[in-house]
Parts: sequence; structure tokens; C-alpha cells
Amino acid sequence: NAGVMQNPRHLVRRRGQEARLRCSPMKGHSHVYWYRQLPEEGLKFMVYLQKENIIDESGMPKERFSAEFPKEGPSILRIQQVVRGDSAAYFCASSPPTGSNYGYTFGSGTRLTVV
Amino acid sequence: QKEVEQDPGPLSVPEGAIVSLNCTYSNSAFQYFMWYRQYSRKGPELLMYTYSSGNKEDGRFTAQVDKSSKYISLFIRDSQPSDSATYLCAMSSLIQGAQKLVFGQGTRLTINP
Repeated sequence: NAGVMQNPRHLVRRRGQEARLRCSPMKGHSHVYWYRQLPEEGLKFMVYLQKENIIDESGMPKERFSAEFPKEGPSILRIQQVVRGDSAAYFCASSPPTGSNYGYTFGSGTRLTVV
Repeated sequence: QKEVEQDPGPLSVPEGAIVSLNCTYSNSAFQYFMWYRQYSRKGPELLMYTYSSGNKEDGRFTAQVDKSSKYISLFIRDSQPSDSATYLCAMSSLIQGAQKLVFGQGTRLTINP
């Protein structure tokens, strides 16, 4: 029973390139959450998605960031035209259909470095 | 002012000591309180979950919530070197969306053998 799978584990992008981060939720989980962790800081909520729906994107920067969770396949967090300030660890979590935060399971994260 | 304040440490204690980790918060709407443990280069894992006020015990771990003081604690008894990690408090409210967690900065804990 695999946990939440994130890939890649490490991603290096030059300024101005696009970054695509993938998250496959645990089996049976239909709710996905993305969080960002800057160095020496706690996790900051970005977006909450269900299959084919964005439920809450109040933590997403207004520009360059987008997220999707299609009917088939993993959830994708997309960052266009990356800047140095986007360097961080991005964590995905998933929960069962009840959407309870009690059932949050985090992946191991993708560490994005912008050079 | 941050919604959730947590002393980042670092905190270093000898093996076997009782560890006390704390967070304060400003949003009185928070109802769900959690503690996560995060090892280096790993994702957070849920340790304790508490709804509203009171105490909850699980093995060597005890979580306390004092809503009147807006203060939560995690106690670790008989601490082990394997407890060395960063501990993050997190909380949420129905008003903001129970699924959206607000995290503290995390406290880096080292247990010395």
C-alpha cells in the first residue's frame, strides 16, 4: 500500500523555466492538498483539490502558479517562469473522500531549486 | 503577528528527559489541533490529533490544548534519540475550512544519547 507519491524528489530549474510537480494520492484518497515549505519555516497551505475541482486556492500566488487534479492521473502543481524565490520544498498530502484533515498523509516532497 | 507562533529552537536534551514543545495562536476559531513530526528531507507525519480543549495521550506522547489561553503543548516522556526531528504544530477551523491547516514554524529537537 504505497503512500503519497511525489516526483521528482529534486528539481532544478533556471529562472524563467517551468516547473511541474506531480503528486499521486494514496489509494482510495480523492482529496489532494499542496503545501510549500520555505527554509526554516513551517508549511504554508497553497491549494485543496478534489478530482477535477479546485475547492480552495486561497494560498496560491495569483500569478504563475496553477494546480489541477484530473479525472485520471496525478495532481500537478505547475509554476511558470520560475524565480529564485520559488525555491522551496513542495509537499502534497491526500485524504479520504470524507475530506477530514485527520486523515492527512503527506508525501516526501519535491525540493525545487531555481538557479 | 503570525496566526501560530512556535519557538524554532533548536532544543537539545539528554536521552530519557521529558520534552515540552509549545505553540500559541491568535485565532480563537481554531478547533482542531495537531502535532506533526518531520525527519530531515521527509514529509511530516501525524503524531497527535485533538479536537477542542483537553488532553490526549498516546504512548510516550501527550498533547494538551488550552483554548482559553490559546496554547497547545506536546510532551514526550522517556525521550529517545529516534525522537530527534522537527516538530510542527498545526491547527484549523471550520470557518476557514477544516482541511486547510495553519502550521507553526516547527521546533528542531535533538535527543542526545
